[in-house]
Parts: sequence; C-alpha cells; structure tokens
Amino acid sequence: KNEVEQSPQNLTAQEGEFITINCSYSVGISALHWLQQHPGGGIVSLFMLSSGKKKHGRLIATINIQEKHSSLHITASHPRDSAVYICAVVLWNTDKLIFGTGTRLQVFP
Amino acid sequence: KAGVTQTPRYLIKTRGQQVTLSCSPISGHRSVSWYQQTPGQGLQFLFEYFSETQRNKGNFPGRFSGRQFSNSRSEMNVSTLELGDSALYLCASSLGRTGGTTEAFFGQGTRLTVV
Repeated sequence: KNEVEQSPQNLTAQEGEFITINCSYSVGISALHWLQQHPGGGIVSLFMLSSGKKKHGRLIATINIQEKHSSLHITASHPRDSAVYICAVVLWNTDKLIFGTGTRLQVFP
Repeated sequence: KAGVTQTPRYLIKTRGQQVTLSCSPISGHRSVSWYQQTPGQGLQFLFEYFSETQRNKGNFPGRFSGRQFSNSRSEMNVSTLELGDSALYLCASSLGRTGGTTEAFFGQGTRLTVV
C-alpha cells in the first residue's frame, strides 16, 4: 500500500464544474503540498498546508491532521486547469517529500 | 526573484555513459532536493542537500550521487547509465530551516533519455 494515496486517478469535467481531489496518507507528516504539473514537466506548488484551510483564487485546500486526509477543490473549473495534480507529504522531522500518484484532470469547454 | 533553474532541459545519452545535471536554487535557499519522475514509478525522492551536506537519501543505487556547492547550487550525477534511468529529473529548493518545514519551489526539470 502506498504511503500517499490520491483519488481519483483521472477526472473529466465540464467547464464551470466544482472539482474535488482527495489525498490520504499513512505516515507522520509536518506538512502537505498540493502541486500542479502541466505537460512539459514543470511543477508548481499550489499550497503548503500543516493545518486547516487555505484559499488562492478558485483553489481551496483543506487538511484534517487527525484523519490524515486532505482535499483540493477547484471552483468554477476552466480548461486551463487541465493538468496533473499531485499531493506530496513532508515526512515528519525531515524535508523529504513522499508523493501521491497524481490525479489527471481534464476540463472541457 | 529568479526561480529554480535546471540545466540542461533535455539530454540524450548512451547506455554506460555518465551524466551530470545542475540545479540553481532560489537565492537564499539552502536546501536542494532531487526527484526522479518516471511513468511507472511516479515521483521518487533521490536525495536532499543542505549547506553542502547530504541530509536525506532515497532508495536509489550508488550510481546516483550528488553534491552541493557553497553557493547552494547542486549537481547530481548518474554513472553507468541504464535504459531505466530515462526520466524527468526535478529539483526543488527551499529555505530548509531546521525545526520547521518551508515551502519547496520546483524547477522545470531535465528530461534525460538513455538510448
């Protein structure tokens, strides 16, 4: 079993839909990242969370430390949101990242 | 502020050769981590350097090595290349404060193809 599990693996949406991507982990962490990777490879860090909730534009990320679960929400999705979204946890007391397998999102006009 | 710069962006090498990849972190960042991304294994941690010292290491063979210079720039080296080493190699930099987690910023990656 992977230490970081993401669901769903693939997601297709119509423009304007509300999207949720989930991440569960089984290790002790000091923080959790949500990352976005577009074709071509470059990775952008969307959020780093250690508790609660963060919002940036149409993106919202939440984390429940007790339940070892995080969600990434995209409101009013747009085709430019099409990318792979990766959850990565920072292993407790290190700077080592452990990654989920990613969620491939496609948003159609 | 310049982002994380990785060079080269693309590289083709032959089996058995060795390769060196470079990562220049964001100014002021002292921690540089390296990751390998393949279609089969996803993103995997290679190693992390902080103030010229390897602080963490992933489960990769000794053919994978790295170093960090006094200006925090880092290089990773892969010797005796195998076809399975074909991957996107990403580096990330962070402030790397001890006792606290700091946000990581990723480079665009170096895509290595071994033929």
